[in-house]
Amino acid sequence: SQQGEEDPQALSIQEGENATMNCSYKTSINNLQWYRQNSGRGLVHLILIRSNEREKHSGRLRVTLDTSKKSSSLLITASRAADTASYFCATAATGANSKLTFGKGITLSVRP
Amino acid sequence: NAGVMQNPRHLVRRRGQEARLRCSPMKGHSHVYWYRQLPEEGLKFMVYLQKENIIDESGMPKERFSAEFPKEGPSILRIQQVVRGDSAAYFCASSPRGVNTGELFFGEGSRLTVL
Repeated sequence: SQQGEEDPQALSIQEGENATMNCSYKTSINNLQWYRQNSGRGLVHLILIRSNEREKHSGRLRVTLDTSKKSSSLLITASRAADTASYFCATAATGANSKLTFGKGITLSVRP
Repeated sequence: NAGVMQNPRHLVRRRGQEARLRCSPMKGHSHVYWYRQLPEEGLKFMVYLQKENIIDESGMPKERFSAEFPKEGPSILRIQQVVRGDSAAYFCASSPRGVNTGELFFGEGSRLTVL
């Protein structure tokens, strides 16, 4: 079963607005990562947050992690048309030899 | 430093044929992961390999599917006797030390179509 579940499934906003995407997971994690995928392409890593971190920033991205609620959010500020893509959260479970388990993704459309 | 290279990018097979997908990880990366993606869906884990060893194959069907990562050369995902349900995009990703310490670097995927 999917570890990460994102919501909403689809999000459409105007250029310049902020986009907030949420992710929930089920088991204990070592870290949580967000990825972006443009149509027909591979995934690109955006940001990683460790289980002992609560918030992290990278450029226009802000990610939060609440391990008590087993949830994370990704905020993209001042969105651009080029941010149009699918966004996935992925979790690395605790323990050695872990793998990343992905959610189903959120489709973000940014209207120019 | 070249990224993760996958080939072929597109592969068409008839039912019953074999599909062989190749993945060359980034230089210095000894951890390789294979994922499968169906249209409009997320990535489903298939197998995790380190050089010459299968670490976790819990996501890979027991029959018809196999994976290897030899000491020399690319990682290979092999699907024997393909069926229409095998049609999907197959992504390979690599990492220098595993996901507990960092991110995965993905290839552009191999898109398999089974006629």
